[in-house]
Amino acid sequence: AQTVTQSQPEMSVQEAETVTLSCTYDTSESDYYLFWYKQPPSRQMILVIRQEAYKQQNATENRFSVNFQKAAKSFSLKISDSQLGDAAMYFCAYRSWSNYQLIWGAGTKLIIKP
Amino acid sequence: EPEVTQTPSHQVTQMGQEVILRCVPISNHLYFYWYRQILGQKVEFLVSFYNNEISEKSEIFDDQFSVERPDGSNFTLKIRSTKLEDSAMYFCASSGATATDTQYFGPGTRLTVL
Repeated sequence: AQTVTQSQPEMSVQEAETVTLSCTYDTSESDYYLFWYKQPPSRQMILVIRQEAYKQQNATENRFSVNFQKAAKSFSLKISDSQLGDAAMYFCAYRSWSNYQLIWGAGTKLIIKP
Repeated sequence: EPEVTQTPSHQVTQMGQEVILRCVPISNHLYFYWYRQILGQKVEFLVSFYNNEISEKSEIFDDQFSVERPDGSNFTLKIRSTKLEDSAMYFCASSGATATDTQYFGPGTRLTVL
């Protein structure tokens, strides 16, 4: 069975600095999808970024980028120029190519210091 | 921008009562999902629904749970006889025309069972 591990329960960063959130996963599959979702205090789960495993190029969305290392089964999220609005829980999630469910990590709470 | 909506935002019920949680997925989406997040725990998949039938369900989704798309816009989760351990945040999600499309989440319903 697939598992997702986020080893950092909490991270803090100074506003305007860069922070990297870690995620590792375990799977025997070769085709899958990886996601980072953000959950602010409002509790809504918001998609940050998505990566297809067959793509070697790392996904980027404005200030958010990932470092996808397929062989190491690592999928870290880098947030550049951190802003106060980035403060939230960040969840890493895995989805197999062949089924529907998202498998979630435990989350990392990101604190932005002004 | 289209979004998934859920009602109510907070539901309080007595143990043994039936509850129905409601969701309005994004209008052109075809795949619908329910997840739950017990406080302090990982997000867990419950069920996926496509073409008016369940396409996948987890072990959590036992006979106490059911889902329905009663009309062209709503997607509901019913818990027949609530237990204390059903207290959680319940998230509805939807995705587009293919099963591999990204899942977009609603703001959640906080269910409290007393």
